[in-house]
Amino acid sequence: GENVEQHPSTLSVQEGDSAVIKCTYSDSASNYFPWYKQELGKGPQLIIDIRSNVGEKKDQRIAVTLNKTAKHFSLHITETQPEDSAVYFCAASMGSNYQLIWGAGTKLIIKP
Amino acid sequence: ETGVTQSPTHLIKTRGQQVTLRCSSQSGHNTVSWYQQALGQGPQFIFQYYREEENGRGNFPPRFSGLQFPNYSSELNVNALELDDSALYLCASSPGTGKDTQYFGPGTRLTVL
Repeated sequence: GENVEQHPSTLSVQEGDSAVIKCTYSDSASNYFPWYKQELGKGPQLIIDIRSNVGEKKDQRIAVTLNKTAKHFSLHITETQPEDSAVYFCAASMGSNYQLIWGAGTKLIIKP
Repeated sequence: ETGVTQSPTHLIKTRGQQVTLRCSSQSGHNTVSWYQQALGQGPQFIFQYYREEENGRGNFPPRFSGLQFPNYSSELNVNALELDDSALYLCASSPGTGKDTQYFGPGTRLTVL
């Protein structure tokens, strides 16, 4: 079945610098790739998503890129701020009901 | 806020008991999905309901069952609780099936002793 790998597991960056989180997926039929941010004690919050007919999408400081040939997609956060500190998850859709298969998460730490 | 609510927030049960978790979706959202998130891991898909019928199931045993009601509420039932069932249980609603964004509730933290 589908498998999603996410790297790194922990990422520490200086405030103001950029952060990049990478994911790879195994099922070439996957066509929907959301990114979620989860803060301690809360449910995941959608921050950006991309569909397979698009190579890149940007929303202010956040961007996602998709390489269908290599089956990987990445989250880019520019000008990081302390409130960006959280766990970030990538996911890929699978099957006719578009259930999400999730990566293991990346803990992003923004150093002041 | 996503408009998705879950109850209770926390729950403690003992092994072998049964539990019911509840979710209230956004008005107009016909699809609800349930996920189990163990500590330090990504969510695992349990099942999805669309217009009160199961629309897909992950690799979970039959003692995990669900219901969806016409008023956009739903339930996750777990029988014969095991220690490994301790986790955060998340529900997510979306407007329909297909390529729809899923909006998550805050989750219910279940502890099985």
